[in-house]
Amino acid sequence: GGIITQTPKFLIGQEGQKLTLKCQQNFNHDTMYWYRQDSGKGLRLIYYSITENDLQKGDLSEGYDASREKKSSFSLTVTSAQKNEMAVFLCASSSERLFFGHGTKLSVL
Amino acid sequence: GMPVEQNPPALSLYEGADSGLRCNFSTTMKSVQWFQQNHRGRLITLFYLAQGTKENGRLKSTFNSKERYSTLHIKDAQLEDSGTYFCAAEDGDNSKLIWGLGTSLVVNP
Repeated sequence: GGIITQTPKFLIGQEGQKLTLKCQQNFNHDTMYWYRQDSGKGLRLIYYSITENDLQKGDLSEGYDASREKKSSFSLTVTSAQKNEMAVFLCASSSERLFFGHGTKLSVL
Repeated sequence: GMPVEQNPPALSLYEGADSGLRCNFSTTMKSVQWFQQNHRGRLITLFYLAQGTKENGRLKSTFNSKERYSTLHIKDAQLEDSGTYFCAAEDGDNSKLIWGLGTSLVVNP
């Protein structure tokens, strides 16, 4: 079976800082996703990518950049962290079914 | 209304009980997935359905695209079933995955 690895698991940033989250998958899936989950809420799509070097904006793309330089990796950048922001960022890949990483918990001081 | 409406928002069961969760869709969906998010935040795919019914152990899921709903039935609930259950449906028009807001399930001894 495959695995999705997200790094780091925990990320503490300062207001205004640029922060990068990384995701690797060894399923050889074409499509990868970044979701944001706020406490007690569902998942919101930030960016997705259907193949290497492809980027598609989700519902929540403002304030984020993404990069898919290789099929196996998909990174997400928070362009300017917002004060007191707290959320979990989930990376996923799919053929039909979605497989998720463990998440990156972001806290902004 | 919401394109994917998930009910109930919260559910409390005793061990051994049976219960069901439901997602209603405002439009025709191509497929549905059900996920469990545990207390550590890990998301696991339970089912992917393009039609019909699937069973896996104590879980059973049905998807009726024409009638615009999907259900997840839990039989003989166990403590480890506690968590938040999400459905996500693939929009037939643009293949976007649309998430419900989740059902928070607590199984009590």
